[in-house]
Amino acid sequence: GEDVEQSLFLSVREGDSSVINCTYTDSSSTYLYWYKQEPGAGLQLLTYIFSNMDMKQDQRLTVLLNKKDKHLSLRIADTQTGDSAIYFCAERESGYSTLTFGKGTMLLVSP
Amino acid sequence: DSGVTQTPKHLITATGQRVTLRCSPRSGDLSVYWYQQSLDQGLQFLIQYYNGEERAKGNILERFSAQQFPDLHSELNLSSLELGDSALYFCASSVAQGGGTDTQYFGPGTRLTVL
Repeated sequence: GEDVEQSLFLSVREGDSSVINCTYTDSSSTYLYWYKQEPGAGLQLLTYIFSNMDMKQDQRLTVLLNKKDKHLSLRIADTQTGDSAIYFCAERESGYSTLTFGKGTMLLVSP
Repeated sequence: DSGVTQTPKHLITATGQRVTLRCSPRSGDLSVYWYQQSLDQGLQFLIQYYNGEERAKGNILERFSAQQFPDLHSELNLSSLELGDSALYFCASSVAQGGGTDTQYFGPGTRLTVL
């Protein structure tokens, strides 16, 4: 079955880069997502990547995918205090609709 | 704002009771998904409806049921509530059946507290 693992906590200083890591187990062609959850709010879709890609960049966000190691990372450049939130990695097999989420990484950005 | 709406925002009830959570998908989306977020289980997929029909089923208890109406809004019914059902319940929607590039957008959630 599918399993998604994330580290639980990351603390950085404002202006630094943040790197949040995720590993997944599914071996089929798959979509991998990053969602952001701020306190008391829902899940905001940040970006996604298909497993035939190595990298995707969207403004301050860079997603890197290492298919061999089944490792996904989200890099946030010039991290701001407003980036403090829980970041969820999720995967979905291409032919299916179900998202499998990791437990989430809490990012704390200090001034 | 994702365009997915959920009501109510908060719900407090007692054990043994029954509640209904409501979700309206984004305009044009045909699929609705329900997820449960709890501290011990994390985010878990419960069930998906596509254009009124059940499309996929996850870890949904028999005490829980859902439906999608002709106007595409969905309701999640939780009955014989237990303390362990206290959680944040999210609804998500997507344009199609969920495969391929179909992407799920989440609502703000309903926080259920069972006392």
